[in-house]
Amino acid sequence: RKEVEQDPGPFNVPEGATVAFNCTYSNSASQSFFWYRQDCRKEPKLLMSVYSSGNEDGRFTAQLNRASQYISLLIRDSKLSDSATYLCVVIFTGNQFYFGTGTSLTVIP
Amino acid sequence: DAGVIQSPRHEVTEMGQEVTLRCKPISGHNSLFWYRQTMMRGLELLIYFNNNVPIDDSGMPEDRFSAKMPNASFSTLKIQPSEPRDSAVYFCASTLTTNQPQHFGDGTRLSIL
Repeated sequence: RKEVEQDPGPFNVPEGATVAFNCTYSNSASQSFFWYRQDCRKEPKLLMSVYSSGNEDGRFTAQLNRASQYISLLIRDSKLSDSATYLCVVIFTGNQFYFGTGTSLTVIP
Repeated sequence: DAGVIQSPRHEVTEMGQEVTLRCKPISGHNSLFWYRQTMMRGLELLIYFNNNVPIDDSGMPEDRFSAKMPNASFSTLKIQPSEPRDSAVYFCASTLTTNQPQHFGDGTRLSIL
């Protein structure tokens, strides 16, 4: 089993839709979680950290479920500009970090 | 503030040639990472350094690849001799500590003919 797994998609959603991605991780001794966004032919950029209590940044909500060992990213009111690949990062105790393979999102007009 | 700076942005060279990629991390960051990304294999960690010391090089494909970090503000990734299958985007990233988010450079797009 991979340390971090994501559904690669692609997710094709209409503008204005709500879409959610999950990222599961294998090691319960994990300490930090992040979501990155990568546009085509660009570098990954930090989108948001994921806190235990969940956190929100505008239309984006990140949540952590330690019991089921996954993190999620919810995007409300999708915009065309949200089209990108979203990668999760999990850092395990001992500072071992793993990137997911990414979930591709296309928002359709 | 300057981010992670990589050079060159693009490189096209013939197989067998030596390729050197360069990276300047964000000032004050103690950890530096080299990644390779392709459509087939996604983002792969090649090697990372803490305080200029290589910590994990298990992702380095083979002996043709080598990386150095002579000081806190500079690192190189070298491929010698290069092969067409080395064609990829190579990213450098840095972070203050390894449990913090990494900041990526723009990448070097490498094509080996």
